[in-house]
Amino acid sequence: GAGVSQTPSNKVTEKGKYVELRCDPISGHTALYWYRQSLGQGPEFLIYFQGTGAADDSGLPNDRFFAVRPEGSVSTLKIQRTERGDSAVYLCASSLLTTDTQYFGPGTRLTVL
Amino acid sequence: KQEVTQIPAALSVPEGENLVLNCSFTDSAIYNLQWFRQDPGKGLTSLLLIQSSQREQTSGRLNASLDKSSGRSTLYIAASQPGDSATYLCAVKKGPAQKLVFGQGTRLTINP
Repeated sequence: GAGVSQTPSNKVTEKGKYVELRCDPISGHTALYWYRQSLGQGPEFLIYFQGTGAADDSGLPNDRFFAVRPEGSVSTLKIQRTERGDSAVYLCASSLLTTDTQYFGPGTRLTVL
Repeated sequence: KQEVTQIPAALSVPEGENLVLNCSFTDSAIYNLQWFRQDPGKGLTSLLLIQSSQREQTSGRLNASLDKSSGRSTLYIAASQPGDSATYLCAVKKGPAQKLVFGQGTRLTINP
């Protein structure tokens, strides 16, 4: 079946602009996670959803970052007033239950000029 | 705060060798530990998941061990092949509804 998909695969924006990154989880997966990976580093947790609600958003670096999952499926990560330090690969993962293996998407590479 | 460390950061070996990748974590109160593979420009693929009550897991040429008390895990790759070249990441989970905490990865190159 289809895996986790993320769009766009690449996003180049200018400092100060607003961006939205989309994640389509595996059908039926109730848990959805966002991570951010900087070059040469492991992924760092941002936020996770159980159903429609954000169960843990402790990894969001500041209030410029926000994520939604209004119908318990697709999720959008929103970044306001982007900064050069936001440049990274943003990874999405989903799992059937929170106890299960997380399946990762290919990521969105965000570049802020 | 849980910290995960992977040593070495990079490793290059000839094809056919057996090798071991290391992962250490500071808080032994983990729920499970996973090993992932990441190819350049791609997402992560789960290789092995070890529950906290388990000592090891095997899949094909891969064997992962877990020693919670010492805060260590190893990934053993037998008879390495050029197709094994990738970055290998370990990650721990503190509880069933918790985030993964990743190490920085080991970049593995298998030379033909």
